[in-house]
Amino acid sequence: AAGVIQSPRHLIKEKRETATLKCYPIPRHDTVYWYQQGPGQDPQFLISFYEKMQSDKGSIPDRFSAQQFSDYHSELNMSSLELGDSALYFCASSWLGTGELFFGEGSRLTVL
Amino acid sequence: GQNIDQPTEMTATEGAIVQINCTYQTSGFNGLFWYQQHAGEAPTFLSYNVLDGLEEKGRFSSFLSRSKGYSYLLLKELQMKDSASYLCAVSGGYQKVTFGTGTKLQVIP
Repeated sequence: AAGVIQSPRHLIKEKRETATLKCYPIPRHDTVYWYQQGPGQDPQFLISFYEKMQSDKGSIPDRFSAQQFSDYHSELNMSSLELGDSALYFCASSWLGTGELFFGEGSRLTVL
Repeated sequence: GQNIDQPTEMTATEGAIVQINCTYQTSGFNGLFWYQQHAGEAPTFLSYNVLDGLEEKGRFSSFLSRSKGYSYLLLKELQMKDSASYLCAVSGGYQKVTFGTGTKLQVIP
């Protein structure tokens, strides 16, 4: 069965650069979530989209933005990168009816 | 706001039973998830409780009391591969699932 696909799996950037992460949810899932997980920490909710509209916002810095496109894939854009942005970024998708979140394998961002 | 608490670490012996507790205070509640996460990997779904009571699924069971804001995950016949972080997460509204701090379980021989 198709799973949540994230790209790239690994990304290395320098401070003050920009990074874009992509997420392709499971077909027919109507909700996409983005989470940030630092080393040894729990996943922190960033933002979610329902049917291509932003539905909820968590601890997402102003330097970050995200959107969901007509084909339901989502992109997380991160600008003016800081060392503290180094983390695993997970995308998850769900269908509103069941609630279960299915996670992608994550994108590991390293900021040097 | 959302406040979800779990013990930070637990240690248990192979073959034993361990109970991981989770308490929550949230502004809304649709259901409670338990996820397992091995280091550097994505969380994987274990259970989802919407109603009070015990849900059993093989070696894993999850309990929910909505009136007490309390849940636990019970792992039986522990195996070494069960060493992982266990995340309690609350669905507190539309399209928002908040994770607790996670409990790192170490299974020892």
